[in-house]
Order: sequence, then structure tokens, then C-alpha cells
Amino acid sequence: EAQVTQNPRYLITVTGKKLTVTCSQNMNHEYMSWYRQDPGLGLRQIYYSMNVEVTDKGDVPEGYKVSRKEKRNFPLILESPSPNQTSLYFCASSPRQANYGYTFGSGTRLTVV
Amino acid sequence: AQSVTQLGSHVSVSEGALVLLRCNYSSSVPPYLFWYVQYPNQGLQLLLKYTSAATLVKGINGFEAEFKKSETSFHLTKPSAHMSDAAEYFCAVNTGFQKLVFGTGTRLLVSP
Repeated sequence: EAQVTQNPRYLITVTGKKLTVTCSQNMNHEYMSWYRQDPGLGLRQIYYSMNVEVTDKGDVPEGYKVSRKEKRNFPLILESPSPNQTSLYFCASSPRQANYGYTFGSGTRLTVV
Repeated sequence: AQSVTQLGSHVSVSEGALVLLRCNYSSSVPPYLFWYVQYPNQGLQLLLKYTSAATLVKGINGFEAEFKKSETSFHLTKPSAHMSDAAEYFCAVNTGFQKLVFGTGTRLLVSP
């Protein structure tokens, strides 16, 4: 089944403790992206990657890192999480064509206390 | 810069009534436009998309949307609401290079 897989689904952590949210897609898509969803703000892009070893900042990149060492994986790293990073996070992937749209993962609900 | 405005953070309808969710876009280039649905505790699922072919686009679950360039709109409609349509709906525009910019979402409430 074609899908984007995120782990974990739920995560509670403490301020300053490094964490990684994994994302993997099995559709051989070139483009991958991370979004965060907050009430009243919709989805905002954090980082994206056009292909292996090619990443760039989205609209809200502060406090996040990403890497794209393999085409299928695009982990999101929070090196020192803070409470304002409490949010619902989505990974998405797309082929090169701009009119295709995204396939989304099921989301990771992160709480930083 | 491309952007999307969704009017109404909440829309309430009765089962069997017409569903109308509004989306207006701003784009300096011919846009690709999308509607996504998010059911509780799930990711976003593509409902339909406009990619410059037909202006009336049909999607899954009986939804459709009409692209109106003169009004810069891409409103989502369904003739008869069902309880299972209760969800949050997002309109999005492609800004080029595959980046999607999303609206703030509209929560659809369906009452019996």
C-alpha cells in the first residue's frame, strides 16, 4: 500500500530533551515536507526537501532540523524542544509534478512540558 | 505570494442539506488548487484538485468544486450532507516547486 509512515503517533517530552520524529514513504517520491498544525493557523510548512541531500527552510523553521540521506526517509529533529513546539506534526510527500498534491502521514502529536 | 482564505472557521448544516465551504485564493500564476479533508485523529486526505483542465472538478464522497478565475474562488460543495462528512476541510494552493500553502481550515458540523 502506498503510504507515508510517521512515528511515533504520540509523544510527550520535557523541555530541552532532543527528539526525532521519523517519516518514511514507499512511493519513490522526490519531494518531502514537514508541516505543523495549530488551531486557527492551519498547516504551516517547517522544512522541505526536493531530493536526497537537498533541503530548505519553510515558513516556520526555527527550532527544527531535517536531513535527507535516503530518498524514502525525512526525519524531523528537535534538538532542544520548547513548549511552543507543542503541536500536531505531519509529514507529506509528492512526486515531481506540481499538480499531483501531497500524500500525508497520520500525524505525530507532540507535547513538550 | 500565493495565499488561500477560507471564510468561516465553522459551518453547521443539517443532514441532507447543501454543503458549501468557501475558498478564495491569491496567485500570481495560474494556480493548482486542492481540497483536503481531515477526520478526527487522522491525516489529511485529498478530496479533489484543480489542475487547469475542467473548471468543475468532482472528487470523492460526492464533493465537487468549481474554479472561477474571475472571482478567484474554488468553493467546495456537496448537494446533500451526511453525518460522516463531519470533519475539517482545508483548501490549498500550489505555489510552485510542489509547495502547498494551506488555508486555516473549516470545521463542518452535521446535525441529524
